[in-house]
Amino acid sequence: DQQVKQNSPSLSVQEGRISILNCDYTNSMFDYFLWYKKYPAEGPTFLISISSIKDKNEDGRFTVFLNKSAKHLSLHIVPSQPGDSAVYFCAASAVSNDYKLSFGAGTTVTVRA
Amino acid sequence: KAGVTQTPRYLIKTRGQQVTLSCSPISGHRSVSWYQQTPGQGLQFLFEYFSETQRNKGNFPGRFSGRQFSNSRSEMNVSTLELGDSALYLCASRNEGGTDTQYFGPGTRLTVL
Repeated sequence: DQQVKQNSPSLSVQEGRISILNCDYTNSMFDYFLWYKKYPAEGPTFLISISSIKDKNEDGRFTVFLNKSAKHLSLHIVPSQPGDSAVYFCAASAVSNDYKLSFGAGTTVTVRA
Repeated sequence: KAGVTQTPRYLIKTRGQQVTLSCSPISGHRSVSWYQQTPGQGLQFLFEYFSETQRNKGNFPGRFSGRQFSNSRSEMNVSTLELGDSALYLCASRNEGGTDTQYFGPGTRLTVL
């Protein structure tokens, strides 16, 4: 049962433009959300997180938005750079299960020069 | 600090065999989690160990097992390998638990023939 869904398997964006990645979840107990980035042959690296008490968190070019009522979060990358080409995973967790991470299937982002 | 290390990086086995994968966490981290990544499925949580005890478990059959040693290093064992066990196995360490960031190793690519 996939509790975290990334419905867009791929995204292509021009360098300098905004990349918007979307993620939906079904478990209303989730209270902590994260985005990870993964290059081929490497493990995922942590990008940014957000707690359910907030609706926005920003770190440099990366901003995560959380809409709890819609059970939806998104990651905005502005401006997109060629080095951003990677697979992005959305993850969610809950205090009720010791913050075990549930991941989406990932979105492959390609930034075109 | 050195990152999370996993050995071996690549492994080829045949059906019915068993395999042991190793993970060394970041120094000082006491929690180690294991994930299976297959194409289109994202990362599926296997289990988490903390202070040599399994703290959390995913929905995998009993053929998948693990353990953690007193120095926090962890091993994962898969017995009676099946073709469907071919995947990238990732381990992640974090300091204690809760919302502590999980840091991933590069993974072990297991191919079952």
